[in-house]
Amino acid sequence: EDQVTQSPEALRLQEGESSSLNCSYTVSGLRGLFWYRQDPGKGPEFLFTLYSAGEEKEKERLKATLTKKESFLHITAPKPEDSATYLCAVQAAGSARQLTFGSGTQLTVLP
Amino acid sequence: GAVVSQHPSRVICKSGTSVKIECRSLDFQATTMFWYRQFPKQSLMLMATSNEGSKATYEQGVEKDKFLINHASLTLSTLTVTSAHPEDSSFYICSARGGARGVFDYEQYFGPGTRLTVT
Repeated sequence: EDQVTQSPEALRLQEGESSSLNCSYTVSGLRGLFWYRQDPGKGPEFLFTLYSAGEEKEKERLKATLTKKESFLHITAPKPEDSATYLCAVQAAGSARQLTFGSGTQLTVLP
Repeated sequence: GAVVSQHPSRVICKSGTSVKIECRSLDFQATTMFWYRQFPKQSLMLMATSNEGSKATYEQGVEKDKFLINHASLTLSTLTVTSAHPEDSSFYICSARGGARGVFDYEQYFGPGTRLTVT
């Protein structure tokens, strides 16, 4: 059974204080690992897809990395508008190709 | 990126009535659409997967007669909650994925969600 574990559950940072969110996964054949941002009362917003170990992607203050067991979402010099819940999901090779989500990390960036 | 819309964004209905939620992919053709349910402070729970022109595949524990899904075209899927009860109150989110090789093949985009309240 595919599993995704995100840590920490919640993270409070001061504006400008860089940190990383972790996503550990076990999956039978990884097709892709996805990061989403979700604001309260809204649907998840697509951030990145990573396909193979060693791959990295960046978008503004966010950088996602991938190993064979986990992914990190690095947030550099965060701003209050980066406050949101960040969701990690994996897609396994197979006919269904459904996403398995982690429980998310709730990030709060204080001004 | 791809855009997925949902309508309505909020709906309040009385117990025993039915409500339909629409999900549209605006700038790509979605061969597969997904419906999720999300409770407060919890992650997304997959309810069903639908492919255009075929019957939806429901996850274990999801009543197919209560949650009717129709994926009539490559840009539209609907979820109808039949005979709604207060316990059906939740945040429903649809998601769409394209089928052709390319940027949308593996990436899954989400709608803004529909808040259903059953009184």
